Amino acid sequence: SQKIEQNSEALNIQEGKTATLTCNYTNYSPAYLQWYRQDPGRGPVFLLLIRENEKEKRKERLKVTFDTTLKQSLFHITASQPADSATYLCALDGAGNNRKLIWGLGTSLAVNP
Amino acid sequence: EPEVTQTPSHQVTQMGQEVILRCVPISNHLYFYWYRQILGQKVEFLVSFYNNEISEKSEIFDDQFSVERPDGSNFTLKIRSTKLEDSAMYFCASIVAHDNEQFFGPGTRLTVL
Repeated sequence: SQKIEQNSEALNIQEGKTATLTCNYTNYSPAYLQWYRQDPGRGPVFLLLIRENEKEKRKERLKVTFDTTLKQSLFHITASQPADSATYLCALDGAGNNRKLIWGLGTSLAVNP
Repeated sequence: EPEVTQTPSHQVTQMGQEVILRCVPISNHLYFYWYRQILGQKVEFLVSFYNNEISEKSEIFDDQFSVERPDGSNFTLKIRSTKLEDSAMYFCASIVAHDNEQFFGPGTRLTVL
């Protein structure tokens, strides 16, 4: 069955450093991969979408890579800030009409001042 | 900025009772989704809805669940006879078309006693 794994342990980093989060998947060939941010008790908020034919995508301080051979995506936050503290979710998106998302459990990031 | 809204924010009900969770997707969006997230677990796909019909549903979405878009703006999820294990956050999401990120509502926390 399809499986998505993200860093299970919380990530603690110092303000200003780069945070790197990992998403690995098996038994799936997504057309897209998406990253969302989720704060406690809130709905996911979209951050970045990367397509299967793209290697890298950037948006401000965020960067996502997508390696379909390794079945892995890396999510980077550069110059991290305490406001970046949240849970980051990886979601796989299949092609077709439905566009349902299949989710990882998420990685909790804490940026310490 | 347009947003997805959900009501109520918190619903407490007795086991066996019917509940209706309401969502107002973004007005020009065409695809609608319900997801749920049990505390501490992954976000799980329930159902997708397009062109006034269900396009896909998960194993969770059994005969006790139904969705409706009664008036062109609201999108509802009904659970006919709630069970304890239905306690979760329920998120509504919408997208305007293919190749777009999903916009999530703030969620309804359903507590079944």
